[in-house]
Amino acid sequence: EIVMTQSPATLSVSPGERATLSCRASQSVSSYLVWYQQKPGQAPRLLIYGASSRATGVPPRFSGSGSGTEFTLTISSLQSEDFALYYCQQYDYWPLTFGGGTKVEIK
Amino acid sequence: EVQLVESGGDLVQPGGSLRLSCAASGFTFSIFLMHWVRQAPGKGLEWVSRINAEETTITYADSVKGRFTISRDNAKNTLYLQMNSLRAEDTAVYYCARGAGGFSYADYWGQGTQVTVSS
Repeated sequence: EIVMTQSPATLSVSPGERATLSCRASQSVSSYLVWYQQKPGQAPRLLIYGASSRATGVPPRFSGSGSGTEFTLTISSLQSEDFALYYCQQYDYWPLTFGGGTKVEIK
Repeated sequence: EVQLVESGGDLVQPGGSLRLSCAASGFTFSIFLMHWVRQAPGKGLEWVSRINAEETTITYADSVKGRFTISRDNAKNTLYLQMNSLRAEDTAVYYCARGAGGFSYADYWGQGTQVTVSS
């Protein structure tokens, strides 16, 4: 199965600053990559699909890039509601596999 | 508005069985791929199973293969997960999720139902 590795595990950022989260696949998944945001006690929320397309209602401060094995989620100016867990997931191969997550916390 | 509401989670002993349900509304359930995904306490997300709209394609994670069965009733707009031979490591919040049209990633998720396997 495809192993997804996210880094860093925890990212400490001040409000208004930029956050850059990384996701690496153990083999190419083309652009079949999504990013989810999860807050405590809530279900995951789709942010990005196709590596770079924002889901409906997602603010433009969220952007995704990359293809093949290297992917990035950038939050251009962190708002208070953005402090959460973020997961990447590939959907090129079965089984679908998730990264271990990056926690974005307030610095 | 798309809504997915899971139910059926409970405390069950190792070796026991449980059936989860997911009631869907706000979209044409019968044409969408559906998933079950779980999250163990304090852990990340693990995809469990999927079923296509026609029930002709079903896939399981190796960790549940032979023990769990996914099914759906398109007339009742409901997704199911029959879980047998439950183990402590199956303890998790179980989410149902809708597959995005034409693709296999999940675009909408329910709020989850807690399954605890313990004696």
